[in-house]
Amino acid sequence: KAGVTQTPRYLIKTRGQQVTLSCSPISGHRSVSWYQQTPGQGLQFLFEYFSETQRNKGNFPGRFSGRQFSNSRSEMNVSTLELGDSALYLCASSLVFGSSEAFFGQGTRLTVV
Amino acid sequence: TQLLEQSPQFLSIQEGENLTVYCNSSSVFSSLQWYRQEPGEGPVLLVTVVTGGEVKKLKRLTFQFGDARKDSSLHITAAQPGDTGLYLCAGEASNTGKLIFGQGTTLQVKP
Repeated sequence: KAGVTQTPRYLIKTRGQQVTLSCSPISGHRSVSWYQQTPGQGLQFLFEYFSETQRNKGNFPGRFSGRQFSNSRSEMNVSTLELGDSALYLCASSLVFGSSEAFFGQGTRLTVV
Repeated sequence: TQLLEQSPQFLSIQEGENLTVYCNSSSVFSSLQWYRQEPGEGPVLLVTVVTGGEVKKLKRLTFQFGDARKDSSLHITAAQPGDTGLYLCAGEASNTGKLIFGQGTTLQVKP
């Protein structure tokens, strides 16, 4: 059974650009959550999608957005990138919304220069 | 706001030693999870504890959920270099499914 797949693994962008990250959940899992991990702040919740609808949102500016497709795959978009957006972005899938057990992908390492 | 505090933040020990990592909060959690993360990888779920006072064992790792469901501990017996990594506790916030993570404990086990 394939795990959570995130693409790309590494990304370098310039300030002001935008970026789109992709996440394919475990087959059969319908909930996808996104997290930002930095050395200073640790793992912080961005948002969660279930059945193509955002169900939960963390305390991030509107520059961070996402969506989920009918096949449960999810994308996260960050517009007008700032240096502080450099981080490891992790996607986690769960069987259903409200499930506390999350299975993480390897993450996308985003560097903003 | 529900917070989880982990201690210690860093731990460097010799192979064969025992250690305990703590995860504390002033809030009640419906469940707590422990994850282990290696550099460049995503966190891997080790265990979920749900019932107050629950103890779960995973080989040399013992996990305990506090009676009041506000804290948890991870005890490793006879640590090995392969145990090196970042250990994270996470709690489900008020039955929302939203996970709140502690800051993590970086463990280094020297051969």
